[in-house]
Amino acid sequence: EIVLTQSPATLSLSPGERATLSCRASQSVTNSLAWYQQKPGQAPRLLIYDASTRATGIPARFSGSGSGTDFTLTISSLEPEDVAVYYCQQRYYWPPLTFGGGTKVEIK
Amino acid sequence: QVHLVESGAGVVRPGSTLRLSCAASGFNFSSFSMHWVRQGPGKGLEWLAVISHDDGKKYYADSVRGRFTVSRDNSKSTLYLQMNSLRPDDTAVYYCVRHLPSGNYYFDFWGQGTLVTVSS
Repeated sequence: EIVLTQSPATLSLSPGERATLSCRASQSVTNSLAWYQQKPGQAPRLLIYDASTRATGIPARFSGSGSGTDFTLTISSLEPEDVAVYYCQQRYYWPPLTFGGGTKVEIK
Repeated sequence: QVHLVESGAGVVRPGSTLRLSCAASGFNFSSFSMHWVRQGPGKGLEWLAVISHDDGKKYYADSVRGRFTVSRDNSKSTLYLQMNSLRPDDTAVYYCVRHLPSGNYYFDFWGQGTLVTVSS
């Protein structure tokens, strides 16, 4: 099973700041990684897939990068509506498909 | 537009059974594999199972293999999860999920989730 480790657990930033979230895989997943956003009381929403491709309707301030074992989700300028928990997910080696433990993004 | 609506929520005793349903609309259900994902209270996401578009192949997470069974009825555009021998750690919101049309297992549409509580 591929384990995904996300860091930090919590990120507290001011509006307009840059947010950098990390996801590290226990072995290479090539570029087979996605990022999701989950707001309180809602289902997750797909943001990024194949490490760097934005899903339909996702604002340009969200970007993904990385390959192999190290991946990054960047929010270029944090908006109040970006408060959420962010999860990474790999599809390279399954079953099982696996998710990271999440990073909570807060507004200062 | 794509809609996935789960049902079958409930509070059950340990050892009980429960069946969840997911009614799909807005897309060609019979062309997509479908998944179940759950989220325990205050916890992260856990993939549980996938069933191929034609019901031919099924795969499970170790935590539910042998206890849960995924099935589908393409004539009704409905996905099911039969849950047996339920345990307190199965308490979670259960999501029915569709993957991208490309066939890659990234999840572009999620149901609203249905809460299963296992407690004595």
